[in-house]
Amino acid sequence: NAGVMQNPRHLVRRRGQEARLRCSPMKGHSHVYWYRQLPEEGLKFMVYLQKENIIDESGMPKERFSAEFPKEGPSILRIQQVVRGDSAAYFCASSPWRGASTDTQYFGPGTRLTVL
Amino acid sequence: QKEVEQNSGPLSVPEGAIASLNCTYSDRVSQSFFWYRQYSGKSPELIMSIYSNGDKEDGRFTAQLNKASQYVSLLIRDSQPSDSATYLCAVTLWNAGNMLTFGGGTRLMVKP
Repeated sequence: NAGVMQNPRHLVRRRGQEARLRCSPMKGHSHVYWYRQLPEEGLKFMVYLQKENIIDESGMPKERFSAEFPKEGPSILRIQQVVRGDSAAYFCASSPWRGASTDTQYFGPGTRLTVL
Repeated sequence: QKEVEQNSGPLSVPEGAIASLNCTYSDRVSQSFFWYRQYSGKSPELIMSIYSNGDKEDGRFTAQLNKASQYVSLLIRDSQPSDSATYLCAVTLWNAGNMLTFGGGTRLMVKP
């Protein structure tokens, strides 16, 4: 029973390049959440998606960041024109289909993005 | 005012002792409460969830929730060096959907 999968685990980009982070939820889970953890800081919510729908993107920066969860395939967090301040660990979590606030979110191993 | 607050620590306890980790939250109608453990360089791992006032026990871990005082705690009995990690308190707020709001975490050090 595979857990939440994320790839790549480590990603290095130069300033101005694009970063694409992928997340496959646990089997049977249809809700995906993205969180960012800046160095020496806490986890911050970015976006909540269901298949083909963005439910809540209140934590997403207004520019350069986008997310999708297509009908087929993994969820993707895309960062365009990366800057050094985007260097962080990006975690994906998934929860079951009920979508209730009591649903437990299970975290993937994260993608550590380094912007040179 | 931060929505979820934790003492950053480090909290140092000897092996075999009880470690007590505390968390306060500002939104009186917060709904669900979670404790995650995060080892350095790793992802958060769920330890406990609690939704109702009172205590909930699971092995060496006990979560305590007091909604009137807006306080949730985690007790770790018979602490082991392998428990040394950062413990994250997370809350879902009634007006914020299913997103988790995290505290800054408390770093626990269990000394042999």
